[in-house]
Amino acid sequence: AQSVTQLGSHVSVSEGALVLLRCNYSSSVPPYLFWYVQYPNQGLQLLLKYTTGATLVKGINGFEAEFKKSETSFHLTKPSAHMSDAAEYFCAVIAYGNNRLAFGKGNQVVVIP
Amino acid sequence: DTAVSQTPKYLVTQMGNDKSIKCEQNLGHDTMYWYKQDSKKFLKIMFSYNNKELIINETVPNRFSPKSPDKAHLNLHINSLELGDSAVYFCASRAGRFVNTEAFFGQGTRLTVV
Repeated sequence: AQSVTQLGSHVSVSEGALVLLRCNYSSSVPPYLFWYVQYPNQGLQLLLKYTTGATLVKGINGFEAEFKKSETSFHLTKPSAHMSDAAEYFCAVIAYGNNRLAFGKGNQVVVIP
Repeated sequence: DTAVSQTPKYLVTQMGNDKSIKCEQNLGHDTMYWYKQDSKKFLKIMFSYNNKELIINETVPNRFSPKSPDKAHLNLHINSLELGDSAVYFCASRAGRFVNTEAFFGQGTRLTVV
């Protein structure tokens, strides 16, 4: 079954610094990859997704991610962190042929003023 | 107009009770899910329905029983609640006939068993 791995549960970043969250996937068939954000006491909101085509995907709030098949990765970046980026971030994968949307363990991002 | 709505938002109940959480989506999706988010924020898939048919049934105690009366609704009934059932439960939906579509989530139901 497909899965994703997110390392480092807590990530601290200074305001204005680069945000980098790592996601590696495992799938025997072409994967479809997603990044979601969860603000406190809220549901999950889609940041961006990779399906097919362009490997560099731009999302909301200035985030982007690059699909690298050779590295089985889909890392999320944002050039300059803002205080409002403090949240929980989840990488997720779904594989062709099934409906199982599987999530990584998440990264809690803390933005330091 | 809320796309995926869950009720109630908060649920506090005693051990041994039976409770239900309701979910409705107005997106016209054919696939719905229940996820459990524990205190460490880990999201674990519990069930998935496609066109009212159960397609994913993870290793979940049989005290948990999902029911889908139609494509727009997926309810979760929990019997004999235990302390370990305390968590946030999320309902989600997606257009499952297209594999590259994202899921839309409800706001969650925070269940506390005392």
